Amino acid sequence: KQEVTQIPAALSVPEGENLVLNCSFTDSAIYNLQWFRQDPGKGLTSLLLIQSSQREQTSGRLNASLDKSSGRSTLYIAASQPGDSATYLCAVVAGQNFVFGPGTRLSVLP
Amino acid sequence: EAEVAQSPRYKITEKSQAVAFWCDPISGHATLYWYRQILGQGPELLVQFQDESVVDDSQLPKDRFSAERLKGVDSTLKIQPAELGDSAMYLCASSPWPNTEAFFGQGTRLTVV
Repeated sequence: KQEVTQIPAALSVPEGENLVLNCSFTDSAIYNLQWFRQDPGKGLTSLLLIQSSQREQTSGRLNASLDKSSGRSTLYIAASQPGDSATYLCAVVAGQNFVFGPGTRLSVLP
Repeated sequence: EAEVAQSPRYKITEKSQAVAFWCDPISGHATLYWYRQILGQGPELLVQFQDESVVDDSQLPKDRFSAERLKGVDSTLKIQPAELGDSAMYLCASSPWPNTEAFFGQGTRLTVV
């Protein structure tokens, strides 16, 4: 059974810092991996999708990497801003649906 | 910009009552998912549809939960009777096809009292 973990569970940084969020999964047989952002009480917003054949994807200040062999993905956020404060979830597509990690709660302090 | 629509946004219901949630996926998306998210945890799949057919409902508590997608477009998730432990966020998502990028709605926050 695919299991997804995320480290750290929570992170607090001052504005302007670069930061890395980690996602690990137990079964490397995945189709793709997707990173989401969730604001309190809201739904999930898609940030980046990495297909299994890709090593990384970039969107603005966000860069996500994927290493299937080691079962890891990282989300890099450059020059963090208070508006980046949210919970970040990774999900792997295993079989035909998504398996989510518990998320990393990020606070960016002004 | 196309969005997944869900209603209601919030629902408070008494234990043992029936409750229903509605989801309208992005137009043309064949795959529809219902997830349940308990506070502080990641979403967990309840049911997945491909067009009007159920692909996976292995985690759906079928004694009290039901889901349908009659014409392969919008979908309804029902709980009867609701229990205190059903309090959670219910999220609907859609994608063009399985294993492609998923897009989520704003969710329905259910509180059972």
